[in-house]
Amino acid sequence: EPEVTQTPSHQVTQMGQEVILRCVPISNHLYFYWYRQILGQKVEFLVSFYNNEISEKSEIFDDQFSVERPDGSNFTLKIRSTKLEDSAMYFCASSEGRGESNQPQHFGDGTRLSIL
Amino acid sequence: ELKVEQNPLFLSMQEGKNYTIYCNYSTTSDRLYWYRQDPGKSLESLFVLLSNGAVKQEGRLMASLDTKARLSTLHITAAVHDLSATYFCAVDGGWTSYGKLTFGQGTILTVHP
Repeated sequence: EPEVTQTPSHQVTQMGQEVILRCVPISNHLYFYWYRQILGQKVEFLVSFYNNEISEKSEIFDDQFSVERPDGSNFTLKIRSTKLEDSAMYFCASSEGRGESNQPQHFGDGTRLSIL
Repeated sequence: ELKVEQNPLFLSMQEGKNYTIYCNYSTTSDRLYWYRQDPGKSLESLFVLLSNGAVKQEGRLMASLDTKARLSTLHITAAVHDLSATYFCAVDGGWTSYGKLTFGQGTILTVHP
């Protein structure tokens, strides 16, 4: 069964450094998302992306965050200058359609980001 | 702002027993999803509920949606140990925010022998 793949599985970075999290969505999906989950807390929406542009972003997704689809397969999340509070599990998801579709969002295994 | 509340947050069950997890949400939406998460793992889709009165069943789990009450339930029948996990409901933002999922806090389910 097709799946969303994320790399790396764990990233340790010094505070203030840039980090790029990578995702390969399911190949025929058109909508892409990033969510994060701080340890022990609920999953929070960061951003949605369609047709090479951001559809919606949350308050968390400030100027330090950016997303890109550099080629036909990858979808990346960049954090320019990491803070301690960015430590979390970051999930990439993709879907065929949006809420009007009967298909769910499919999630990757996540990247655990640890900021020191 | 859409708020999603689950209860209970912790559920300890004996094998063979039945129980229900509740998911309440604050604004109109007719699209709700249930996901399962095992420790350290990703979110696995369980159910997609797209209309008022929708009911879906898979094995020992049954989910329903009442959009008028803004309530979804996940009913567990004759629990087994393999069902131990965290269960999240997630509500779609609807016509103003299609595809933006707002998650509940999660219900940590532990099934004991």
